[in-house]
Amino acid sequence: DQQVKQNSPSLSVQEGRISILNCDYTNSMFDYFLWYKKYPAEGPTFLISISSIKDKNEDGRFTVFLNKSAKHLSLHIVPSQPGDSAVYFCAASARGGTSYGKLTFGQGTILTVHP
Amino acid sequence: GAGVSQSPSNKVTEKGKDVELRCDPISGHTALYWYRQSLGQGLEFLIYFQGNSAPDKSGLPSDRFSAERTGGSVSTLTIQRTQQEDSAVYLCASSLDLAGGSYEQYFGPGTRLTVT
Repeated sequence: DQQVKQNSPSLSVQEGRISILNCDYTNSMFDYFLWYKKYPAEGPTFLISISSIKDKNEDGRFTVFLNKSAKHLSLHIVPSQPGDSAVYFCAASARGGTSYGKLTFGQGTILTVHP
Repeated sequence: GAGVSQSPSNKVTEKGKDVELRCDPISGHTALYWYRQSLGQGLEFLIYFQGNSAPDKSGLPSDRFSAERTGGSVSTLTIQRTQQEDSAVYLCASSLDLAGGSYEQYFGPGTRLTVT
């Protein structure tokens, strides 16, 4: 049972344009969401997070949007840069229930930003 | 400051052998997590330790897998009688405080395990 899904395995965008990465979840107990970025042969690096009490969180070029009714979140990168090329993982956690303390990850989306 | 470190970075072992993977978390982080990433998959939760509480082992795939955390710091993940399906990258992460709601976990570089 895949509780966090990233349905696009890859995304290719031009430098300077917007990258939009999507993530859907099924567990209504999830109340905290994170995006991680991963380069080859390295561990994932925390990028940005959002609590379920918000619907938007912005940090520089990165903005995460949360739509609780649709159980959907997205990461926007504007403007995209070649150095953003990496695998992006969406993750979710909950303050209660069996998911407490654990991050449940999506399968990842490979982002390629072309110069 | 020092991040999460893991050793070895790569491990090749024969089917049926036991392996030990080590994780040194960030100093002062009370929570420690193990995940694994199989080829083409997302990260799969295995186990976590929080302070002196009993570990949550609910993600361990079989009783061949075990983990311990000594002195609230270093952790070792042991896989007994390895199987080819155990081949994956094993990632360790730590975070400051689970109960306080800080869920940002900081990951080590991982150990790539190959079972031949």
